[in-house]
Amino acid sequence: QVQLVESGGGVVQPGRSLRLSCSASGFIFGSHGMHWVRQAPGKGLEWVAVIWYDGSDKKFADSVKGRFTISRDNSKNTMFLQLNRLRVEDTAIYYCAREETGMGPSLGYWGQGTLVTVSS
Amino acid sequence: QSVLTQPPSVSAAPGQKVTISCSGSSSNIGNNYVSWYQQLPGTAPKLLLYDNYKRPSGIPDRFSGSKSGTSATLDITGLQTGDEADYYCGTWDSSLNAGVFGGGTKLTVL
Repeated sequence: QVQLVESGGGVVQPGRSLRLSCSASGFIFGSHGMHWVRQAPGKGLEWVAVIWYDGSDKKFADSVKGRFTISRDNSKNTMFLQLNRLRVEDTAIYYCAREETGMGPSLGYWGQGTLVTVSS
Repeated sequence: QSVLTQPPSVSAAPGQKVTISCSGSSSNIGNNYVSWYQQLPGTAPKLLLYDNYKRPSGIPDRFSGSKSGTSATLDITGLQTGDEADYYCGTWDSSLNAGVFGGGTKLTVL
């Protein structure tokens, strides 16, 4: 069965960095684009970034462009989100999700999320 | 302020039908496929519909969707108390070159 497991969240001070991981299993990881979506406490969903199935292209929300990077290692079935120059407003649950159609975001499988708290 | 506009809340009685709207523009809904998600309290979102109206396996046909111009609609018939959740629309925005979601709609089944 498809499983996505995020890790790497925690409490970090503003301006510092964090690296999130999304470990995938139960499907051919290298055949799917992958997304990060975040949700601030009590707020709605915010799309963060996508990486193409082969890593050849990446897109970012304006709110994180230039601060976050996305990457993947298809040999290890893992995707990463590097969060740099963190701000208080980056506090959120970060979900990784699998793209289903390539016409996305059509996010058919989600992880349980990892909480990032940015606070001094 | 979300790129896609949804009503903050809707409500209806068990067994009834509810419609949730999602309004956008030509750069997003008007020229891209829409997906819909259900988020139960304390859980990750779940895909309800993709490509405007298609249901993933396991999603009952009580959930249906449509798109017209720059707006999309999610219909839920035969409402059940278990349908109480937040619902989000999402699509790609070709001008922003980014994914976008609506602000979410909280469904209350009275």
